[in-house]
Amino acid sequence: DGGITQSPKYLFRKEGQNVTLSCEQNLNHDAMYWYRQDPGQGLRLIYYSQIVNDFQKGDIAEGYSVSREKKESFPLTVTSAQKNPTAFYLCASSKTIGTDTQYFGPGTRLTVL
Amino acid sequence: QKEVEQNSGPLSVPEGAIASLNCTYSDRGSQSFFWYRQYSGKSPELIMSIYSNGDKEDGRFTAQLNKASQYVSLLIRDSQPSDSATYLCAVNRYSSASKIIFGSGTRLSIRP
Repeated sequence: DGGITQSPKYLFRKEGQNVTLSCEQNLNHDAMYWYRQDPGQGLRLIYYSQIVNDFQKGDIAEGYSVSREKKESFPLTVTSAQKNPTAFYLCASSKTIGTDTQYFGPGTRLTVL
Repeated sequence: QKEVEQNSGPLSVPEGAIASLNCTYSDRGSQSFFWYRQYSGKSPELIMSIYSNGDKEDGRFTAQLNKASQYVSLLIRDSQPSDSATYLCAVNRYSSASKIIFGSGTRLSIRP
């Protein structure tokens, strides 16, 4: 059963902590993405990766970091430098970068305490 | 001007009627267009993609693309209460071929 999984579903962070959100896909897709969604807002691109060991900053990369050591995995770290991290985080993948359809995981809701 | 613009709604449509959702985009070179449905608290799910001018039908859904007017729409026929959701329009950014830009979405409410 192919798809994208994200964990955890809910995450609570204290001030000054770094937290890591997991994203795994078994669709054999080359490209993966991280988005942030705030209430009533559209999706904003944080980072994307075209291929293993390569990733690029999106529109709102400050305070975030990623790695792409395996094709299936694209974890996102929300660092303490991100001043307003409370949001819904969505991971997506597509066969290739650019024009291909993106498929989304179920999301992680991060709340800062 | 936003790269992808949608009316935020809410758009209220009676059950059984046609719901019409609109989206305009600014990048004239865009080639790929997508409609996603997002229920409250859930992730977006793809409804349709369209790449050529004209209409594309899939069940109760029809996507319409007019590249000259930089306009893409989604029609939902025989609207059902289960269609109540936020609909996101997404367009690839030709000038930066690696990115797809999402509109902020139109909230649709189907009233019984």
